[in-house]
Amino acid sequence: DTAVSQTPKYLVTQMGNDKSIKCEQNLGHDTMYWYKQDSKKFLKIMFSYNNKELIINETVPNRFSPKSPDKAHLNLHINSLELGDSAVYFCASSPSGTSGGSTDTQYFGPGTRLTVL
Amino acid sequence: KQEVTQIPAALSVPEGENLVLNCSFTDSAIYNLQWFRQDPGKGLTSLLLIQSSQREQTSGRLNASLDKSSGRSTLYIAASQPGDSATYLCAPTGGGNKLTFGTGTQLKVEL
Repeated sequence: DTAVSQTPKYLVTQMGNDKSIKCEQNLGHDTMYWYKQDSKKFLKIMFSYNNKELIINETVPNRFSPKSPDKAHLNLHINSLELGDSAVYFCASSPSGTSGGSTDTQYFGPGTRLTVL
Repeated sequence: KQEVTQIPAALSVPEGENLVLNCSFTDSAIYNLQWFRQDPGKGLTSLLLIQSSQREQTSGRLNASLDKSSGRSTLYIAASQPGDSATYLCAPTGGGNKLTFGTGTQLKVEL
């Protein structure tokens, strides 16, 4: 009965590899997000999707490609991994659409710690 | 572009103290402002959400205020406990439901 789940929890890989992180929410929310938390613990949005449509794309290298097969899932695929991609990646979801509600809380997953060697 | 600053960056207090965490933001065009808690190695837990039309929101020992025009919010924690030790993050919500996070305040409450 986990609300927002991510797999895997830990991911260790070599530079140049391609990897994917999966996210699923069972809250019936319309909007999902990916955030990156770097080594200095700074948390920044990468993407948001509303009903499978890309809404926010924040200056992220095109090696990162989000995929939303349905509104309950938002996966993150990363090509040609680099050392600087090492971080914790958080998925989140919220009830509302792009207009944002004044009461629209975002619910976060537990995070995926990616280490690129 | 929204920029969020939190002061202090770290705080260590004895159990039982009341304390105030500060957050300032540069763009007042926000839908709401949320305060989150992050425990080491864990995800974020939403503590309070203040709508842009509100001045204050309370949940148990936590009270958050918002002064949108001056770009400030404070989180007040009453009678702090060791279990309150965590990093507290402030995040105003802008267009597209975009959260912009502050740098966080790392709180340690000692016995």
